[in-house]
Amino acid sequence: ILNVEQSPQSLHVQEGDSTNFTCSFPSSNFYALHWYRWETAKSPEALFVMTLNGDEKKKGRISATLNTKEGYSYLYIKGSQPEDSATYLCAFRNSGNTPLVFGKGTRLSVIA
Amino acid sequence: DTEVTQTPKHLVMGMTNKKSLKCEQHMGHRAMYWYKQKAKKPPELMFVYSYEKLSINESVPSRFSPECPNSSLLNLHLHALQPEDSALYLCASSQTGVSSYEQYFGPGTRLTVT
Repeated sequence: ILNVEQSPQSLHVQEGDSTNFTCSFPSSNFYALHWYRWETAKSPEALFVMTLNGDEKKKGRISATLNTKEGYSYLYIKGSQPEDSATYLCAFRNSGNTPLVFGKGTRLSVIA
Repeated sequence: DTEVTQTPKHLVMGMTNKKSLKCEQHMGHRAMYWYKQKAKKPPELMFVYSYEKLSINESVPSRFSPECPNSSLLNLHLHALQPEDSALYLCASSQTGVSSYEQYFGPGTRLTVT
């Protein structure tokens, strides 16, 4: 059974603060790592798909890094805004023929 | 249209009822998925349909019965559910099968079994 861990489980930050959280996955047999942003009562929205060790991806104030050798990915949010409040899910795949395995998510609350 | 729609948004059913969840996409995707998510747990894959054929069944009890009438529609038929089946049921689609990088999710159906 593949284990995908996300930490912290939840965090509260002030508007304007920068923050980051972690997704850990098995370091053997890596295929892809996905990040999703999930606002309450909405669909999970794909942020990044990362496939290469050392990948860095950026979308606006959100960026992510990937270390497949040690089995972790970081998601960074610069200058958090209240609209960034959501659950951030990561999902791991160890081959092209296997489905995604999700972490429990990190619930971010940005306080104005 | 990059949307996956799900109906109903909320469903309350008794243990003897029969109901269905519906999912629709018009992106031309040929793979569709059902996930189950309980509170504070990760989404768990239930079924995958690829080119309208069931390709993955993650040992789901037979009281859940998926159906893919065509490439745009995915149903989940529910019968004789238990209270522990109460959860958020998410549908997703991707361009081809599980090897596709991108999965697009619907907003989910919140199911309560009484």
